[in-house]
Amino acid sequence: QLVESGGGLVQPGGSLRLSCAASGFTLRPYWMHWVRQAPGKGLVWVSRILSDQDGGSTIYADSVKGRFTISRDNAKNTVYLQMNSLRVEDTAVYYCATDTQYIPDKWGQGTRVTVSS
Amino acid sequence: DIQMTQSPSSLSASVGDRVTITCRASQDIRNDLGWYQQKPGKAPKRLIYAASSLQSGVPSRFSGSGSGTEFTLTISGLQPEDFATYYCLQNNTFLAFGGGTKVEIK
Repeated sequence: QLVESGGGLVQPGGSLRLSCAASGFTLRPYWMHWVRQAPGKGLVWVSRILSDQDGGSTIYADSVKGRFTISRDNAKNTVYLQMNSLRVEDTAVYYCATDTQYIPDKWGQGTRVTVSS
Repeated sequence: DIQMTQSPSSLSASVGDRVTITCRASQDIRNDLGWYQQKPGKAPKRLIYAASSLQSGVPSRFSGSGSGTEFTLTISGLQPEDFATYYCLQNNTFLAFGGGTKVEIK
């Protein structure tokens, strides 16, 4: 399973680092995604990182580019989302997911991020 | 950027009904599309990938079709557990979800 953590309340302009830890399997071969969902709203794709085997490259939604950084530590079986310069509109539940067939497959339960003064 | 337009945004249906949800892409995305089901307070669940391939373990009453710019998700014989919100997701150029379709009980 995937377990997200690191969410919480942060002021605008602040930073948070989300973690997505896998248990029972290794994340090493998987591409990984972060997807978010604002309260009462739809799903929004945030970022993806390829496996190290496939080059480890990253892509981001325009809304977070330059502020968020996705990374992975295969030794810790964990994927991260470093979120800087947070805005009120970043308030959401953040989900991580493994990728198969080039889209998110198995999802974690999500971690809630609230950006508010 | 590729925009995904889902319709309808909500619908009411009865158990046993056939339900069709449409997703339109702003440009040709070949068959680079998936469908997800989400229930309140839960993570999404993948139903379909590559426009028409059924995810392992998903009931066969769910089916996907289409290519290019128009895609459909069909539920043949709606069951009580199918009342949920459904999203399409394109992965042709970056990734982008549709706005969602809430399927409610009539």
